[in-house]
Amino acid sequence: SYELTQPPSVSVSPGQTARITCSGDALPKKYAYWYQQKSGQAPVLVIYEDNKRPSEIPERFSGYSSGTTATLSITGAQVDDEADYYCCSTDFTGNHWIFGGGTRVTVL
Amino acid sequence: QVKLVESGGGVVQPGRSLRLSCEASGFTFGDYGMYWVRQGPGKGLEWVALIWFDGSVEKYGDSVRGRFTISRDNSKDTLFLQMDSLRAEDTATYFCARGPYDSSGYYYIDYWGQGVLVTVSS
Repeated sequence: SYELTQPPSVSVSPGQTARITCSGDALPKKYAYWYQQKSGQAPVLVIYEDNKRPSEIPERFSGYSSGTTATLSITGAQVDDEADYYCCSTDFTGNHWIFGGGTRVTVL
Repeated sequence: QVKLVESGGGVVQPGRSLRLSCEASGFTFGDYGMYWVRQGPGKGLEWVALIWFDGSVEKYGDSVRGRFTISRDNSKDTLFLQMDSLRAEDTATYFCARGPYDSSGYYYIDYWGQGVLVTVSS
């Protein structure tokens, strides 16, 4: 079955750039979406269609996709950005939605 | 603003059934696809089901196909998930989520409810 692969964890110091990758064979043909989930809360959409940012999301969040890898970047990461981040996309058929395993971002 | 409120969770024995509901407000419910996504204790997100804006098409994840049924009542702005033959591994927080179309014509999730806990245990 189709999978999206993310690193389990990323750690950065405040003000540095955190980069989270998401690998999947269908990503050249399918959009990637990114969700932030803080402890005990519902997920929040931070990037859609590879690189678009909802109006309420800070500009330090950006995304791009090249080949089989999509990347979420947090430029100038803040302590408040500590959370689990999940990528999401569909498989080749477009009939199944898949989440990556999640990446825990630590800012300290 | 967009609001999604799940209900119907609780503790249920293996093999039994449970029905979840999700009441939507703050947007035109019948214009959007709707999802159920779950998250086991300490685990990641897992897509469960998707229903088209008009209820004409249903899609299911492999682990629930044949046991769960997604449905909607657009006259009452409410989404449902009928869960039959429940197993211990179905224990999770279940999120209701809204699905607009992306520019390639596929649904995606833009807003989530707060979730409801389902525990399957004897």
